[in-house]
Amino acid sequence: EPEVTQTPSHQVTQMGQEVILRCVPISNHLYFYWYRQILGQKVEFLVSFYNNEISEKSEIFDDQFSVERPDGSNFTLKIRSTKLEDSAMYFCASTRRQQETQYFGPGTRLLVL
Amino acid sequence: GNSVTQMEGPVTLSEEAFLTINCTYTATGYPSLFWYVQYPGEGLQLLLKATKADDKGSNKGFEATYRKETTSFHLEKGSVQVSDSAVYFCALNHGGSQGNLIFGKGTKLSVKP
Repeated sequence: EPEVTQTPSHQVTQMGQEVILRCVPISNHLYFYWYRQILGQKVEFLVSFYNNEISEKSEIFDDQFSVERPDGSNFTLKIRSTKLEDSAMYFCASTRRQQETQYFGPGTRLLVL
Repeated sequence: GNSVTQMEGPVTLSEEAFLTINCTYTATGYPSLFWYVQYPGEGLQLLLKATKADDKGSNKGFEATYRKETTSFHLEKGSVQVSDSAVYFCALNHGGSQGNLIFGKGTKLSVKP
């Protein structure tokens, strides 16, 4: 059964460093999403991506964040200069058509020291 | 705005007990409603969904009915097992242009043998 994959599973970084989180969505999916979950809090939407551009973003997704689909399979989230409060679990999701079921990856746990 | 409210956890039950996890929502229009489950160390998996009023979603013995009059989507299972121990998230798709999900805070369920 196809699944969304994410790498790395864990990442530890120093405050101010750049990180790139990677996702490989399900191959025939067209809509891609990033969510995050700060420890003990709810899962929050960050950004959605379709047709090689951002289609919607939340207020969390400020200028420090960017997304890219550099090739036909990967979907990345970059945080330019990490802050302590960026520590969270980051989930990638994809779907074939908008408003259909979103399939989630296992997440990347990011710890900013 | 759109939001989801879940009952606070953790919930601890004995095996074969009856489970209810309450979920209510606030949304404009007619959202689709979901329950996702997160097993320890894993990502979010869709458990069940309902796309219109009075629909009942079901999977693995879990059920939830979309109640528009009470804006609720409570999760139930008649007899829980130890393997059901996980965090359960209620979510809605607000029907916006790109369909990002809005999640509740999650309810941790622990089932004791």
